[in-house]
Amino acid sequence: GESVGLHLPTLSVQEGDNSIINCAYSNSASDYFIWYKQESGKGPQFIIDIRSNMDKRQGQRVTVLLNKTVKHLSLQIAATQPGDSAVYFCAENMGSGYALNFGKGTSLLVTP
Amino acid sequence: GAVVSQHPSWVICKSGTSVKIECRSLDFQATTMFWYRQFPKQSLMLMATSNEGSKATYEQGVEKDKFLINHASLTLSTLTVTSAHPEDSSFYICSASGQRYGEQYFGPGTRLTVT
Repeated sequence: GESVGLHLPTLSVQEGDNSIINCAYSNSASDYFIWYKQESGKGPQFIIDIRSNMDKRQGQRVTVLLNKTVKHLSLQIAATQPGDSAVYFCAENMGSGYALNFGKGTSLLVTP
Repeated sequence: GAVVSQHPSWVICKSGTSVKIECRSLDFQATTMFWYRQFPKQSLMLMATSNEGSKATYEQGVEKDKFLINHASLTLSTLTVTSAHPEDSSFYICSASGQRYGEQYFGPGTRLTVT
């Protein structure tokens, strides 16, 4: 992920709209990528992951896209709900036993 | 599912005292655990990697004599903040490596406030 930033960028969407959160990663050797959701005062919660041999993976209401050429990762949330309001972090990993390198995060605010 | 707990969930201590934070994998064994620190409105930053039965590996800029890590069993790692100062106030989060490739399970975090 990118180096730690000082302030989180914010994405504001209306309830029911689709959300797209982007992330640039830095290590071309990373082969595993994860999106986490973090609510205030809580630890990161796993959302979806993708291995480097894939470029798209879908879950329930979420899709992760990976573009290794430009080292870019995105998280798409369909029909965004108020409960989706949180900070979202991408993380990259070189495999088991390695620590995660977190991106700077994006604050998602869902308005009614 | 794999659950990681942390204790305490929050702690307030006076400057100069030491605080111990526990990280436990409740229903699985974790050979490797990680400690992260998170300041308000910032991302998680890795402090150290802890392997059971061996010395922790600290990230650059993290003082190993100040942040003591012990990983004495496959289900418990502890972080002790020694001689805490107000600038050590932060949210400390641990994670444990899971069985699945690259996966990590995170604890709920510990909020440390040093007065």
